[in-house]
Amino acid sequence: DIQMTQSPSSVSASVGDRVTITCQASQDISNWLAWYQQKPGKAPKLLIFATSNLKSGVPSRFSGSASGTGFTLTISGLQPEDFATYFCQQANSFPLTFGGGTKVEIK
Amino acid sequence: EEQLVESGGGLVKPGGSLRLSCAASGFTFSTYSMNWVRQAPGKGLEWVSSISSGSTYTYYADALKDRFTISRDNAKSSLYLQIHSLRADDTAVYYCARDMHQVVDALDLWGQGTMVIVSS
Repeated sequence: DIQMTQSPSSVSASVGDRVTITCQASQDISNWLAWYQQKPGKAPKLLIFATSNLKSGVPSRFSGSASGTGFTLTISGLQPEDFATYFCQQANSFPLTFGGGTKVEIK
Repeated sequence: EEQLVESGGGLVKPGGSLRLSCAASGFTFSTYSMNWVRQAPGKGLEWVSSISSGSTYTYYADALKDRFTISRDNAKSSLYLQIHSLRADDTAVYYCARDMHQVVDALDLWGQGTMVIVSS
């Protein structure tokens, strides 16, 4: 199985900050990486697919990139509605696997 | 509006069985592969199972395949998950989710989830 190691597990930030979350795959997954946002009591929502493609309707302050088997989600200019937990997911092969999550908290 | 609505969760005794349902609307259900993903309280996301658009192919997490069965009825735009021999560690919110383009893909539409609690 492909392991997805996500860091940090939590980050405290202020409105307007730039936040970076990383995900390391245990093996090559090409660009098959997705990012989700989840708020308490709600289902996850897809933000980014295929490493860097924003789902329609997702604000452009969210961006994704990759370097080898490492992937990054960047939120440029954190907004109050962005405080949530973020998960990465590899979509290269079964079993689908997720990172452990990063909780973005208000500083 | 595209929507997935799960049902069928509840309190079940260890060893019991449950059938979860997911009703799809607002899109052509029969053209999409579908998934179940679960989340234990306070924990991360765990993929459970996937099924191809025409039910030809099914996939399971190795640790669950002996007790879980995924199925679908395209005429009813519905997805199902049958769970047998329920254990305490099956306690979780179960989400149905749609594959974006193909089997093994990002999951672009999620239901609100249905809670399964396994307890005596």
